[in-house]
Amino acid sequence: GNSVTQMEGPVTLSEEAFLTINCTYTATGYPSLFWYVQYPGEGLQLLLKATKADDKGSNKGFEATYRKETTSFHLEKGSVQVSDSAVYFCALSPTSNQAGTALIFGKGTTLSVSS
Amino acid sequence: KAGVTQTPRYLIKTRGQQVTLSCSPISGHRSVSWYQQTPGQGLQFLFEYFSETQRNKGNFPGRFSGRQFSNSRSEMNVSTLELGDSALYLCASSVTGTGSHEQYFGPGTRLTVT
Repeated sequence: GNSVTQMEGPVTLSEEAFLTINCTYTATGYPSLFWYVQYPGEGLQLLLKATKADDKGSNKGFEATYRKETTSFHLEKGSVQVSDSAVYFCALSPTSNQAGTALIFGKGTTLSVSS
Repeated sequence: KAGVTQTPRYLIKTRGQQVTLSCSPISGHRSVSWYQQTPGQGLQFLFEYFSETQRNKGNFPGRFSGRQFSNSRSEMNVSTLELGDSALYLCASSVTGTGSHEQYFGPGTRLTVT
């Protein structure tokens, strides 16, 4: 079946440190991959996406590359800020052109950045 | 453009009651999906609607139902509430609801069942 596995948190970093949050997936077909972020008391915000192998999604200094050979979509940022403290979710949409597709989420990784 | 809006933001209900949650998608988006978020189970898909038709459904009991109106606004209903239904219910809208199109989420409705 389809599934997403994220590294367990919490991840605690100092400001300006390098961030990596690992995400691997299992899927049949050709999924689309997403990273969402959730700030306390809020819904999910789309951070970035990639729809085919070797695509790189990027936004607000965050990047992730769709690696089909390793079934991974790791999130990276070169220099984190306190304002990046949130919960990050990796998600997949099983088949890119299928209607009514449900997102499948990882369990989320809590990031805490201190100044 | 205004984002996805959900009402109410908070609800407290008693076991056995029923509840209706509302979601207004981003203008021009015709697909609306609903998700349940709990600390134990994480984010789970409930159902998806497009042009007033349910196209996909997750693995939830029949007490959970939904509908979509001609203006794409959607409601979900939970009947005979149980304590385990306490959760954050998130609505997401998408242009077409196909897999490669991103879904945009609302702030959620926090339901507490006592």
